[in-house]
Amino acid sequence: GAGVSQSPRYKVAKRGQDVALRCDPISGHVSLFWYQQALGQGPEFLTYFQNEAQLDKSGLPSDRFFAERPEGSVSTLKIQRTQQEDSAVYLCASSWPGQGYHEQYFGPGTRLTVT
Amino acid sequence: SQQGEEDPQALSIQEGENATMNCSYKTSINNLQWYRQNSGRGLVHLILIRSNEREKHSGRLRVTLDTSKKSSSLLITASRAADTASYFCATETSSNTGKLIFGQGTTLQVKP
Repeated sequence: GAGVSQSPRYKVAKRGQDVALRCDPISGHVSLFWYQQALGQGPEFLTYFQNEAQLDKSGLPSDRFFAERPEGSVSTLKIQRTQQEDSAVYLCASSWPGQGYHEQYFGPGTRLTVT
Repeated sequence: SQQGEEDPQALSIQEGENATMNCSYKTSINNLQWYRQNSGRGLVHLILIRSNEREKHSGRLRVTLDTSKKSSSLLITASRAADTASYFCATETSSNTGKLIFGQGTTLQVKP
């Protein structure tokens, strides 16, 4: 079946522009996560949704970052007034939480470059 | 900030040799997972070990967990060139969300 998809795969933005990154999770997956991965680093948690509810946004680096999942399926991560330090790969993952088992299925990521 | 530290940061071996990567973490965990990331691609889940387990096997993979030392190791036996990738450990500290805290990763190169 289809995995997690993300679009666009690559995005170049000028500093100060707003960007929107899309994630299509695996159908039926309740949980959706966003991570930010800087070059040469491990992914860092940004935010988590259970269905349409955003239950944890503790990882969002500033109020310029906003995420939504209005119908409990597709999610959008929006970054306003992009800065150079926002350049990174943004990964989306989804999972069907079981009994203490949370294997996450990752999308290919969106590579954001802010110039 | 990241929970884990991985050691070594980079590892280069010949095909057929075993590769061992280590991961240390800081807080109590529900489970620890290992993921692989090929260049330019997303992460792929390899194996999960729960906090009450000490060792787990999956094919050529063997994972150990020592909660008293807050450390884990991943052993890949009989490595292949296709195993060349970055490997990350990730800890889940709450069973309610599945939120993962990743280490910095080990870059493995397997030479044919």
